Amino acid sequence: SQQGEEDPQALSIQEGENATMNCSYKTSINNLQWYRQNSGRGLVHLILIRSNEREKHSGRLRVTLDTSKKSSSLLITASRAADTASYFCAPANQAGTALIFGKGTTLSVSS
Amino acid sequence: EADIYQTPRYLVIGTGKKITLECSQTMGHDKMYWYQQDPGMELHLIHYSYGVNSTEKGDLSSESTVSRIRTEHFPLTLESARPSHTSQYLCASSEGQGVGDEQFFGPGTRLTVL
Repeated sequence: SQQGEEDPQALSIQEGENATMNCSYKTSINNLQWYRQNSGRGLVHLILIRSNEREKHSGRLRVTLDTSKKSSSLLITASRAADTASYFCAPANQAGTALIFGKGTTLSVSS
Repeated sequence: EADIYQTPRYLVIGTGKKITLECSQTMGHDKMYWYQQDPGMELHLIHYSYGVNSTEKGDLSSESTVSRIRTEHFPLTLESARPSHTSQYLCASSEGQGVGDEQFFGPGTRLTVL
């Protein structure tokens, strides 16, 4: 199993601004997933992008995947205070046993 | 919200006690997982199961043990709790046998050992 590395570690923005988080990984993948964790809670699945996809949208979320650079980005548009949370990427390949999560990006959105 | 439950949500106990953290899911998922997470840190996989009577250790060594007697139930046990076990424990499940399936998480159990 391989771990994704999120960047930046922390991000503070104002409501209405866009937030971009990046993820890098080391080996080939079948898909890459993004999760959100509100303080002290379990993780919630946001979006899954397959290795043959380059971009995917879900509401205010936009995920891109560049397999040549082994990187992905998560864009949250028109952020809200409720988007305040930690965001984790999880690259998945068939050689692994389970998803491995990094330290995440902590996003703070102030009103 | 996914149908995966963890009890208790918070537990404060003394050193040396035996504890069991409960995890149940009603989705009929074959794969289940236990993660350990310290505040602000990454999740560490400590146990997983492919199905009934299947348990494996994860990437992080843990003194805890697990069992999988029923599909819906995946309890974690610490025979003798120590302060170093203080952490948040997250249970998760996924539907298929593949690694890349979406995981559903419970709310977590925050354990404090005095």
